[in-house]
Order: sequence, then structure tokens, then C-alpha cells
Amino acid sequence: DQQVKQNSPSLSVQEGRISILNCDYTNSMFDYFLWYKKYPAEGPTFLISISSIKDKNEDGRFTVFLNKSAKHLSLHIVPSQPGDSAVYFCAARPGGYQKVTFGTGTKLQVIP
Amino acid sequence: NAGVTQTPKFQVLKTGQSMTLQCAQDMNHNSMYWYRQDPGMGLRLIYYSASEGTTDKGEVPNGYNVSRLNKREFSLRLESAAPSQTSVYFCASSYGDGYNEQFFGPGTRLTVL
Repeated sequence: DQQVKQNSPSLSVQEGRISILNCDYTNSMFDYFLWYKKYPAEGPTFLISISSIKDKNEDGRFTVFLNKSAKHLSLHIVPSQPGDSAVYFCAARPGGYQKVTFGTGTKLQVIP
Repeated sequence: NAGVTQTPKFQVLKTGQSMTLQCAQDMNHNSMYWYRQDPGMGLRLIYYSASEGTTDKGEVPNGYNVSRLNKREFSLRLESAAPSQTSVYFCASSYGDGYNEQFFGPGTRLTVL
């Protein structure tokens, strides 16, 4: 039972354009969501997060949107850069717990 | 600051052999985690330790044991390795409060023949 789903295994975007990575979840107890970025042969690194009391959080070129009624979140990268090419994992946790559930990842390729 | 370190980086085992994966963090974090990453499966939690002296099972604990040796170190042991345990293993740590991000080590690539 995959509680956090990233239905697009891969995405290609031209440099300078917007990248939109999507994530759906099924567990209504999740109230904190995170995005991690992973380069080959390295561990994931934290990118951005959002609490369920918000519907948007922005950090530089990265914005995460949360639609609780649809149980959907998305990560927008504007403008996309070749260095953004990596695997992006969506993750979620219930309030107050440290057990995080990760999605299967989306591999983003930004084409120069 | 080294962050989260893992040893070894690579390991090949034969079925039935045992080994321990080591993890250490120098960020004074309370909580530590072990994950495995398999193709198409994302990251799955094996065990975690909310604080020194405590450990709890994650999503896929069977075939593994853990030891929180002290606040810095959290080891993962495979008592009798199986081919199904071929994977990339990541250790992570966090401050431990409900909403802190986790910091990951570089991973251990394990192959069980």
C-alpha cells in the first residue's frame, strides 16, 4: 500500500522553463510534507517542506503547493537549471511522529 | 562537520554471511534512521531511534537488527544475509522534534550473492 505516490518516474524540461513535480498521498493523518533531492551516488538532501496549515511555501526558485482536499502536492522549480537534474522524492509524516513515508521518486532532467 | 558518515561504502556478501553497517553523526541529533532504497520502491524505513536508548521498527524490519550505541552512533546488522537484502542503505539523523528534516549519509551499496 503506497501511501505517497509519485506517478511520473521521469520528467524532461528545457533549461529556463518551469519544472512541476507532482505527489499524491492517501493518508489523511499526514500533516507535514517534505521534498528531498538526490544526486547519483549521494544521499538525499532536504529541499523544502510545508505544513498542512499552509497551502504554499517558497524558497528561492522552489515553491511547494499543497491541496489538502485533493491530497496532492507539487514542487515548482522556476527557472529550471541543468544542476537541478536529480531524483526528487516527496515525503510525508503524521503530526508529531518522526516516521516519514517516502514516494518512489521522479527523475528530473533539465536539458541545456 | 562531517555530518552523517557511513561505512563501508560498498560490500559484497554471500548468502548466510553476517555484517554490520556503521553510521555516525556529529550534529548532536537525537533521532537516527536506517532506510533502504530499491529501484521503483523509493526509500523505505527499516528501523529508527527516536532518542538514545530507544529503537523502533519501521516499514521493513525483518532480517535486520539495530543498536543505538550512543547518541552519535546507530548500527544496522544483518545476521544472515539474503539476496533480497541487496540494496542501497542510507542512514539519516534529525533533531527529533516533529517537524525537522532528516540529514542523510552517502549510503552503503550492498550486494548479496
